[in-house]
Amino acid sequence: DVKVTQSSRYLVKRTGEKVFLECVQDMDHENMFWYRQDPGLGLRLIYFSYDVKMKEKGDIPEGYSVSREKKERFSLILESASTNQTSMYLCASSLGSINEQFFGPGTRLTVL
Amino acid sequence: AQSVSQHNHHVILSEAASLELGCNYSYGGTVNLFWYVQYPGQHLQLLLKYFSGDPLVKGIKGFEAEFIKSKFSFNLRKPSVQWSDTAEYFCAVNPMYSGGGADGLTFGKGTHLIIQP
Repeated sequence: DVKVTQSSRYLVKRTGEKVFLECVQDMDHENMFWYRQDPGLGLRLIYFSYDVKMKEKGDIPEGYSVSREKKERFSLILESASTNQTSMYLCASSLGSINEQFFGPGTRLTVL
Repeated sequence: AQSVSQHNHHVILSEAASLELGCNYSYGGTVNLFWYVQYPGQHLQLLLKYFSGDPLVKGIKGFEAEFIKSKFSFNLRKPSVQWSDTAEYFCAVNPMYSGGGADGLTFGKGTHLIIQP
């Protein structure tokens, strides 16, 4: 079974803090994705990556950056957290760019 | 940019009722289509997918969906729902661009389904 793990299930940070959300997949997938999930808005793509050190902006990249130094790990960075970034963050991975995505359990981030 | 529309945000049914959740997308080219489900407290998991071939696809737990290209639709169905089907359901689209690449998934806003015993 594909396993996508995220470093924290719940995280509370203060406005202005730098926040790192980590995601690791164990199936040698090429592609990794970060989404945020908000009630009534569904999932929205923040960033994705097709290869190590490669990144592409999704639909809502503002206020976020990413890092992919190793194939299995994809980090989402909030340079200066703001209250409107309070959300559930979901990481996903897929074998190819057109294959189904496998999701992690999510990190519920609260920014005070 | 493509968009995905799910017609119902909240649906309440009794056990054994039939279910149909609507999904329409806006992209005019070739697409891959997915339905994901999120049970309470659990992570998103794939219910079914359509890439090509038979437009009627079957997924897990008795769900099926029909791709109607002329209507840009991919509606989810189940003949008889159970209490355990209570969950949030998301339709998602992955457009296939002419260059051969693809993008992340575009999701609908979700349908919250409640099955009453």
